[in-house]
Amino acid sequence: QVQLQESGPGLVKPSETLSLTCTVSGGSISNYYWSWIRQPPGKGLEWIGYIYYTGTTNYNPSLKSRVTISVDTSKNQFSLKLSSVTAADTAVYYCAKVVAWFDPWGQGTLVTVSS
Amino acid sequence: QSVLTQPPSVSGAPGQRVTISCTGSSSNIGAGYDVHWYQQLPGTAPKLLIYGNNNRPSGVPDRFSGSKSGTSASLAITGLQAEDEADYYCQSYDSSLPRVFGGGTKLTVL
Repeated sequence: QVQLQESGPGLVKPSETLSLTCTVSGGSISNYYWSWIRQPPGKGLEWIGYIYYTGTTNYNPSLKSRVTISVDTSKNQFSLKLSSVTAADTAVYYCAKVVAWFDPWGQGTLVTVSS
Repeated sequence: QSVLTQPPSVSGAPGQRVTISCTGSSSNIGAGYDVHWYQQLPGTAPKLLIYGNNNRPSGVPDRFSGSKSGTSASLAITGLQAEDEADYYCQSYDSSLPRVFGGGTKLTVL
């Protein structure tokens, strides 16, 4: 059974870059798409983007200028970088395996943007 | 303001049937794209509830069912239980956004 676990700093300063990693266990990252999704406190879900194990990406147009998703197949990990963050980027960030739907999901990690 | 519109809240008594709607347009649900549903219990990550409009993953009770017609989809929950109290999200594909979520619906079990 594939499991995902997010990791990274829980606090990021405004204007800096948010960096998170998702580690996939119980299966190979190869041959699948992998995604990042976020949820601001008390609000709904927002799709950030996805990556194929070969490195092909697709991003939400609203975040595209600030987002980079990368993959490291040797470590069975994929990563998210979001630049020039503001308080509006404070959210729980989830990673998930993508088919047409998202399943499974990681438990999520709260990232707060504050000085 | 999501391209998929859900009611902010619904409620029902134990044992009752409730439905949650997900209204889209000709660029998403109406274009034939599948709808998927997630359940998010308080303080936890979303969990896949229905995929491909009306398919349940292993382990999801048959009290949960999905349907799609035209530019809308619905999630039905029968035999409502206290443990069903959660937020529910629909998700599909849109011509402008490869993955899009509805705004979410909070289900309260009275």
